[in-house]
Amino acid sequence: DTAVSQTPKYLVTQMGNDKSIKCEQNLGHDTMYWYKQDSKKFLKIMFSYNNKELIINETVPNRFSPKSPDKAHLNLHINSLELGDSAVYFCASSQVPGQGVGYTFGSGTRLTVV
Amino acid sequence: DQQVKQNSPSLSVQEGRISILNCDYTNSMFDYFLWYKKYPAEGPTFLISISSIKDKNEDGRFTVFLNKSAKHLSLHIVPSQPGDSAVYFCAASRYNFNKFYFGSGTKLNVKP
Repeated sequence: DTAVSQTPKYLVTQMGNDKSIKCEQNLGHDTMYWYKQDSKKFLKIMFSYNNKELIINETVPNRFSPKSPDKAHLNLHINSLELGDSAVYFCASSQVPGQGVGYTFGSGTRLTVV
Repeated sequence: DQQVKQNSPSLSVQEGRISILNCDYTNSMFDYFLWYKKYPAEGPTFLISISSIKDKNEDGRFTVFLNKSAKHLSLHIVPSQPGDSAVYFCAASRYNFNKFYFGSGTKLNVKP
């Protein structure tokens, strides 16, 4: 049974479209994250939610909007997609911040904007 | 500006030998460090961690060394096995463990 699951795994879409990526974790973790792996392979944090509350919001365009309906789900909605949004997006979860046990990652969503 | 750097994009090692993966960081406030392993088409998986109060942490074949004065950490894998072939990311954090900074990864190839 997958601990952190993301859907879809692959997403190819045209510029200007709106798309969503879903993430669910069954670990009972309180904190969830979205990371973006760019073309240089760096993993950069975008957002973090703790128990449905936004606690980290990095410098990300307003076109990206996270939604956490409950602490087991963190979805990412992207409006007006641009070519530069092409990347692999990883969802992750962890225990309460401060326990330093690291994240459990999903398998990633490869977004390609054409 | 990247605060965590892995300057070797790839490393090739013979099975049974030692693999040494390196990582440098620039922020002296970082006090918690992790290594992740990633296979293709999968998410990174946690491997081993170390806090700044230690200079070494060992878990089976994996040992992480931390040199705070040099702002450098390394991951040693002994003996290396073909199943260790993957991309290895180091990550660092300040006291707020909620946010980790990742390096760009080193692709390890262990040859049989």
